[in-house]
Amino acid sequence: GIQVEQSPPDLILQEGANSTLRCNFSDSVNNLQWFHQNPWGQLINLFYIPSGTKQNGRLSATTVATERYSLLYISSSQTTDSGVYFCAARDFMEYGNKLVFGAGTILRVKS
Amino acid sequence: GAGVSQSPSNKVTEKGKDVELRCDPISGHTALYWYRQSLGQGLEFLIYFQGNSAPDKSGLPSDRFSAERTGGSVSTLTIQRTQQEDSAVYLCASSLDPGIYGYTFGSGTRLTVV
Repeated sequence: GIQVEQSPPDLILQEGANSTLRCNFSDSVNNLQWFHQNPWGQLINLFYIPSGTKQNGRLSATTVATERYSLLYISSSQTTDSGVYFCAARDFMEYGNKLVFGAGTILRVKS
Repeated sequence: GAGVSQSPSNKVTEKGKDVELRCDPISGHTALYWYRQSLGQGLEFLIYFQGNSAPDKSGLPSDRFSAERTGGSVSTLTIQRTQQEDSAVYLCASSLDPGIYGYTFGSGTRLTVV
């Protein structure tokens, strides 16, 4: 099965700073998602992005499937951005089966 | 419904008792997943349902765990003879088509076995 690795494992930002989170995956995938888990445990779907670039407000994501990585950009960070960011991918060869999650990046935004 | 609904939101049970966790997926979503997240850990796949196909149970940690999905909609995850290591947040997700669309997660059930 595929392996999903995220970096950095944790990150502390001053409010207003920008950041880039990285997700590497070991094999071809047909589903790549970024999630934000808030301090209350709710997993929020940020982007479904198996390839290309998407933007939503201060967040954007880019996946380069041929090079097996995805990046999540957070601009002008706010304290509400704090939490854990997960990248998850589905093995292209395993139709319908599990999403494999990375270990997450713990983000703390200080005011 | 508008989102994936899980109940109860919190459950405290005594070691050795059975528990049932419920998931109501988004209406029309044929794919349904159960994941488990232990404290400070990532998400662990448990089981996957797709339409009328046989479920993928490859992630269930032991035979004390079982799940069913009735009528292609609501799903129930049952844990028999609970152990303290079963304490975790159990998350349900659904998708219209996992190969085309993303997954939407519910808020989870926090299970504490005392």
